[in-house]
Amino acid sequence: DQQVKQNSPSLSVQEGRISIRNCDYTNSMFDYFLWYKKYPAEGPTFLISISSIKDKNEDGRFTVFLNKSAKHLSLHIVPSQPGDSAVYFCAASKNYGGATNKLIFGTGTLLAVQP
Amino acid sequence: GAVVSQHPSWVICKSGTSVKIECRSLDFQATTMFWYRQFPKQSLMLMATSNEGSKATYEQGVEKDKFLINHASLTLSTLTVTSAHPEDSSFYICSGAVKNIQYFGAGTRLSVL
Repeated sequence: DQQVKQNSPSLSVQEGRISIRNCDYTNSMFDYFLWYKKYPAEGPTFLISISSIKDKNEDGRFTVFLNKSAKHLSLHIVPSQPGDSAVYFCAASKNYGGATNKLIFGTGTLLAVQP
Repeated sequence: GAVVSQHPSWVICKSGTSVKIECRSLDFQATTMFWYRQFPKQSLMLMATSNEGSKATYEQGVEKDKFLINHASLTLSTLTVTSAHPEDSSFYICSGAVKNIQYFGAGTRLSVL
């Protein structure tokens, strides 16, 4: 049972444009969501997170939106740069603020930013 | 962000041997660390949660006698793949958590011949 899904396996955008990564989840108990970027043969790098008490969080070029009723979150990168080309994973966890909990990862989406 | 060091980055071994992978938190103390496995073009799958000073918690389907985890200090967790076989060949990644955010090591590519 895939509790966190990323339905777009890949996306290509032009440099300077907005790129959007989408993620859907099924477990309503999830209350903390994170986005990671991953290059081949490397560990994931944390980008941005959001708790379920918010619907938007911004950090520089990255903005994450959370729609709890739709169980959907998205990552916006503005403007996109060639160095953003990587696989993007969303992840979810339960019991934010308590003991450290395990992350459930989505399947990942490959982003290619064309110069 | 916090820094996690993982070693070795790549290891090749013969079938039947054991391989130890180290995961260190360099600038924070990690009461809890996590071990993941990733197959090509697939997501990260949690194998186990490593708890300092106590037994690890394994995910369903992960053999605890096959994948031995030791978390003897607040900065070091080790994963030992015992009697490795070709089907154990994979990319293994560890993480440590700081305030609900997990920071990952660079991963270890294990190839079992």
